Amino acid sequence: AQSVTQLDSHVSVSEGTPVLLRCNYSSSYSPSLFWYVQHPNKGLQLLLKYTSAATLVKGINGFEAEFKKSETSFHLTKPSAHMSDAAEYFCVVSDRGSGNTPLVFGKGTRLSVIA
Amino acid sequence: ETGVTQTPRHLVMGMTNKKSLKCEQHLGHNAMYWYKQSAKKPLELMFVYNFKEQTENNSVPSRFSPECPNSSHLFLHLHTLQPEDSALYLCASSQESSGGVQETQYFGPGTRLLVL
Repeated sequence: AQSVTQLDSHVSVSEGTPVLLRCNYSSSYSPSLFWYVQHPNKGLQLLLKYTSAATLVKGINGFEAEFKKSETSFHLTKPSAHMSDAAEYFCVVSDRGSGNTPLVFGKGTRLSVIA
Repeated sequence: ETGVTQTPRHLVMGMTNKKSLKCEQHLGHNAMYWYKQSAKKPLELMFVYNFKEQTENNSVPSRFSPECPNSSHLFLHLHTLQPEDSALYLCASSQESSGGVQETQYFGPGTRLLVL
């Protein structure tokens, strides 16, 4: 069975500084990994996903994440935070090769960006 | 973004009411999902429909009743709800293949439900 742990419930950064949102996963098979973002009163939007190609995945709005199998991690980064990045971020895992398994969501990390 | 729409966006209902949430996807996908998002809890998968067949029911109470009349529409019928059912209900869709790879899910904006 798969699971995902987002290590920080809240991260606060200053505008223009780097962002790091941490995620560790557990998976019985080769995982698919996703990061979604949710702005206030909005649905979830896909930022990026990893499905076994390049381990460094680039997403929208300058975000990227690196799949590290040895560390079972899939941390989300961005070189320079923007005020519009303030939102809730969800790390998501799904086992591939075990049928149509559902997505498992982390509890979320709230990102605050200070001017 | 109008790929997945949900109505209503907000709903207040009493415990004895009956109401329905509606979801429509305009992406040509073959799978649709209902999720419940409560404060300080992970997103909970409620129901999955694949090619209009329900393939997942995550021990959801019978006061929640899904309906999928076609691959573009999904309903969640609500009756005799409890205050703890107050949450954001999210609908999603995806294009699933038979290869076992979980495809990207596209989410609607959600219905904010308050049960009094």
